[in-house]
Amino acid sequence: GENVEQHPSTLSVQEGDSAVIKCTYSDSASNYFPWYKQELGKGPQLIIDIRSNVGEKKDQRIAVTLNKTAKHFSLHITETQPEDSAVYFCAASKDSSASKIIFGSGTRLSIRP
Amino acid sequence: KAGVTQTPRYLIKTRGQQVTLSCSPISGHRSVSWYQQTPGQGLQFLFEYFSETQRNKGNFPGRFSGRQFSNSRSEMNVSTLELGDSALYLCASSLSTGNTNYGYTFGSGTRLTVV
Repeated sequence: GENVEQHPSTLSVQEGDSAVIKCTYSDSASNYFPWYKQELGKGPQLIIDIRSNVGEKKDQRIAVTLNKTAKHFSLHITETQPEDSAVYFCAASKDSSASKIIFGSGTRLSIRP
Repeated sequence: KAGVTQTPRYLIKTRGQQVTLSCSPISGHRSVSWYQQTPGQGLQFLFEYFSETQRNKGNFPGRFSGRQFSNSRSEMNVSTLELGDSALYLCASSLSTGNTNYGYTFGSGTRLTVV
């Protein structure tokens, strides 16, 4: 089955700097890659997603890139702010398996003031 | 638009007991998935229901079961609770129909503690 690996497990960046989180997936048939942000005491929240027919997608300070050949995808957060501190999860799935989404192990992002 | 509602928020149970958790999805979402979240294992897929049918199942023992009602509300049940079942149980609903995946909307979870 699908396996998603996520790095790093913890990341600390200075406020205003950029943060990058990387994931790899094992199933070449995966075609949907969402990213989630989980704040303390809350469920994960979808922040951006990308499908395999697109190489990059941006939404304000957040961008995701996908390299299908290498089976890599990454989350980029620019101009980080204190409210970006949270745990971030990447995930992968394929339409043929319905809604089963496999998550990476998570990255705890801390923004230093 | 109301989000995904999970009840109860917190539960404390004794080993050997059974527990039922409830999830009300976003109106119009027919797919409901359940995940177990623990510090050591991350987000582990339990099962997914669509139109009252279990469509996908993760690698959990038969003590974990679920169902979905005609209004898309879902329940999960854990029987013969073990200490290792202590976790945050998350429910997520989605517009996914099987042909195209869409992102989940998660509830805030039910924190289960087994003592």
